[in-house]
Amino acid sequence: KQEVTQIPAALSVPEGENLVLNCSFTDSAIYNLQWFRQDPGKGLTSLLLIQSSQREQTSGRLNASLDKSSGRSTLYIAASQPGDSATYLCAVYTGGFKTIFGAGTRLFVKA
Amino acid sequence: GAGVSQSPSNKVTEKGKDVELRCDPISGHTALYWYRQSLGQGLEFLIYFQGNSAPDKSGLPSDRFSAERTGGSVSTLTIQRTQQEDSAVYLCASSSPWTGNYEQYFGPGTRLTVT
Repeated sequence: KQEVTQIPAALSVPEGENLVLNCSFTDSAIYNLQWFRQDPGKGLTSLLLIQSSQREQTSGRLNASLDKSSGRSTLYIAASQPGDSATYLCAVYTGGFKTIFGAGTRLFVKA
Repeated sequence: GAGVSQSPSNKVTEKGKDVELRCDPISGHTALYWYRQSLGQGLEFLIYFQGNSAPDKSGLPSDRFSAERTGGSVSTLTIQRTQQEDSAVYLCASSSPWTGNYEQYFGPGTRLTVT
């Protein structure tokens, strides 16, 4: 059974710091891994999607990597800003069209 | 539409009443998902629709929950005889098979409170 774990559960950093969020999954048989951002009381916004054949994806200050063999993904945020404060969720898309989500990392960037 | 829409945005209901939650996916997206997010919890998969195929209902927590998708577009999630533990945010997502990557786009959610 696929399980997705995100570490840390919460993170507080000063503005400008580079940071890494971690996501691990137990079954490497995935189609893709998607990182989302969720603001309080809002839905999910897709940040990056990495297909199983890819190693990383970049968008602006965000870089996501995928290592299927070790069951790990990282989301790197460069030069963090207060507007980056949100909960970050990773999700793996498995066979049978199921998507398994981690519990999220709550990020707070202090001005 | 430009994105996935859900209605109502908020719903307060009394225990034992039935509720209907609506999801309108992105035009042309044939795949539609329902999830539940309880307070402080991760997202829980409920049900998946793909085109005209039989839905994957394996995530529905009890037989009080049902969902349908009419005409391959709008979906309704129905919860009968609501219980307090049903209080959560219900999120809908859609995706297109044509992209080949199964990227999901989420609606803003419906916050359900059962009193």
